[in-house]
Amino acid sequence: GAVVSQHPSRVICKSGTSVKIECRSLDFQATTMFWYRQFPKQSLMLMATSNEGSKATYEQGVEKDKFLINHASLTLSTLTVTSAHPEDSSFYICSPRGSDQETQYFGPGTRLLVL
Amino acid sequence: KQEVTQIPAALSVPEGENLVLNCSFTDSAIYNLQWFRQDPGKGLTSLLLIQSSQREQTSGRLNASLDKSSGRSTLYIAASQPGDSATYLCAVPSAGYQKVTFGIGTKLQVIP
Repeated sequence: GAVVSQHPSRVICKSGTSVKIECRSLDFQATTMFWYRQFPKQSLMLMATSNEGSKATYEQGVEKDKFLINHASLTLSTLTVTSAHPEDSSFYICSPRGSDQETQYFGPGTRLLVL
Repeated sequence: KQEVTQIPAALSVPEGENLVLNCSFTDSAIYNLQWFRQDPGKGLTSLLLIQSSQREQTSGRLNASLDKSSGRSTLYIAASQPGDSATYLCAVPSAGYQKVTFGIGTKLQVIP
């Protein structure tokens, strides 16, 4: 299966700071990137979808100015949580997909704790 | 809007028992259906992928079935082991594969 990495795996930050999460697809070109978050005891929820080189499409209820997504290359996408607050504490997972792939691959996730 | 339900929410079984996890979905216009396992604090591991035209897939002790017309899928685990303890999620991509809807998962505990 495809190898996907996320960095950092865990991050603790103070309220009001910004956090950048990187997602890399190591052995295939990710034409589409999905970003999910998972609150405790809940299922994964799609936050946004981005295609390489274009702006991300955000799901209803997800603030695009707060969760900045950059998908500048076929192997790297970043999610920046700006001015993070405790309610943003969650598990963030990226999911890249190539143009010819059917299986959804997932990164190992980043656990964010905002104090 | 696609809704995915998984039953039961939690399951505890003794080692060696065979078990069935259920997943139901409301919109039958699906691209495929995938089963994943999630270990605590970790990402997702893909277990089985069933195409919308298929009825079942097998991998080792795992067997997944799909009945698209009734909006149901089951994951059968044979001879369960403590290492099978995890949360099992089913995921249903839309027909255009533009969105994937997840169930909330079934938390499985296999007792030695």
